[in-house]
Amino acid sequence: SQKIEQNSEALNIQEGKTATLTCNYTNYSPAYLQWYRQDPGRGPVFLLLIRENEKEKRKERLKVTFDTTLKQSLFHITASQPADSATYLCAPRSGGSYIPTFGRGTSLIVHP
Amino acid sequence: NAGVTQTPKFQVLKTGQSMTLQCAQDMNHNSMYWYRQDPGMGLRLIYYSASEGTTDKGEVPNGYNVSRLNKREFSLRLESAAPSQTSVYFCASSGRGGEETQYFGPGTRLLVL
Repeated sequence: SQKIEQNSEALNIQEGKTATLTCNYTNYSPAYLQWYRQDPGRGPVFLLLIRENEKEKRKERLKVTFDTTLKQSLFHITASQPADSATYLCAPRSGGSYIPTFGRGTSLIVHP
Repeated sequence: NAGVTQTPKFQVLKTGQSMTLQCAQDMNHNSMYWYRQDPGMGLRLIYYSASEGTTDKGEVPNGYNVSRLNKREFSLRLESAAPSQTSVYFCASSGRGGEETQYFGPGTRLLVL
């Protein structure tokens, strides 16, 4: 069966460091993959989308990589700030599919 | 634009009671979705509507019904609530389904006693 794995343990880092979150998937051939941010008590908010033919995508301090051979996406936040503390969800998607599937998310805590 | 709105924000029900969760979007999106989110389980799709007039089951549809009232509104009904339906419910919408970004509402926190 299709499976999406994100580290269930919280990632604790110091302000100014680079945070790296991992999304692994199995039994999946996603055409693209999305990353969302979720703050406590709120709905997820879209951050970035990367397609299968793209190795890397950047937006301000955010960078996403997509390795279809390893079946893995990495999400990086450079120069992290306490305001980046949240849960980050990955969502791989097959092309043309209306069925979205989300990973369980990884909590990021940035300490001042 | 309000985006995606949900009512109520919080509800307490007794086992066996019924209720309808309301969702509306003002972005002229075709597709709408209902999820539930439980601790340690992540977001799970209950039902979705790819376009006005169509609805389909998601991963966990049992105990729920939906109505796509018009392009803007998509409601979720619990006919006979059970404690296992205690959860946070999110409504979302997207332009065409498929690759489109999903926009989420603020959520409804439901407690079934």
